[in-house]
Amino acid sequence: GIQVEQSPPDLILQEGANSTLRCNFSDSVNNLQWFHQNPWGQLINLFYIPSGTKQNGRLSATTVATERYSLLYISSSQTTDSGVYFCARRSGPYNFNKFYFGSGTKLNVKP
Amino acid sequence: DGGITQSPKYLFRKEGQNVTLSCEQNLNHDAMYWYRQDPGQGLRLIYYSQIVNDFQKGDIAEGYSVSREKKESFPLTVTSAQKNPTAFYLCASSTQYQGTYNEQFFGPGTRLTVL
Repeated sequence: GIQVEQSPPDLILQEGANSTLRCNFSDSVNNLQWFHQNPWGQLINLFYIPSGTKQNGRLSATTVATERYSLLYISSSQTTDSGVYFCARRSGPYNFNKFYFGSGTKLNVKP
Repeated sequence: DGGITQSPKYLFRKEGQNVTLSCEQNLNHDAMYWYRQDPGQGLRLIYYSQIVNDFQKGDIAEGYSVSREKKESFPLTVTSAQKNPTAFYLCASSTQYQGTYNEQFFGPGTRLTVL
């Protein structure tokens, strides 16, 4: 089946530091999302990024579909960035509404 | 405001009881999903529906049932056959279009505890 692997599984940062989270997939991607799960459990959409680079404030993401990976960059981290970051990709083309999630990166930003 | 609502936020159940979790969306999305998350773990797919009156089992469907009678609603029933139902349940929805934009959005979740 489709594999989605995230690294690192855990990350501890001092406030103000930068970090890079990685998502690898086992086959070519036609849809990729990054989510942040806050301490209350809500999954917040960060990026929809099947290819290329996008930026939103201190966060940016890059997907290189041909090499089967995506990166999430967090710059000048804040304590509110703490939580779990998930990447997910859509299956397809025959079951294109099923999504596969990685196991997540748990980020702890310390003041 | 468009979005996904789940109710209740917290649910307590006695062993042997069936319970139904509600999920409603007003995003006009065709596809809807139920995921289960255990503490410190990722998301596992229970059921999903691509269109009204149709749904498919996910990876951990045993002990769960769903219905999709309306586009906006996708309730999940946790039956007494589910051996370890205590978990956080997340509902999601997405557009239906193959080969084009298809982004998934999540509700706030329901925490189910079996007493």
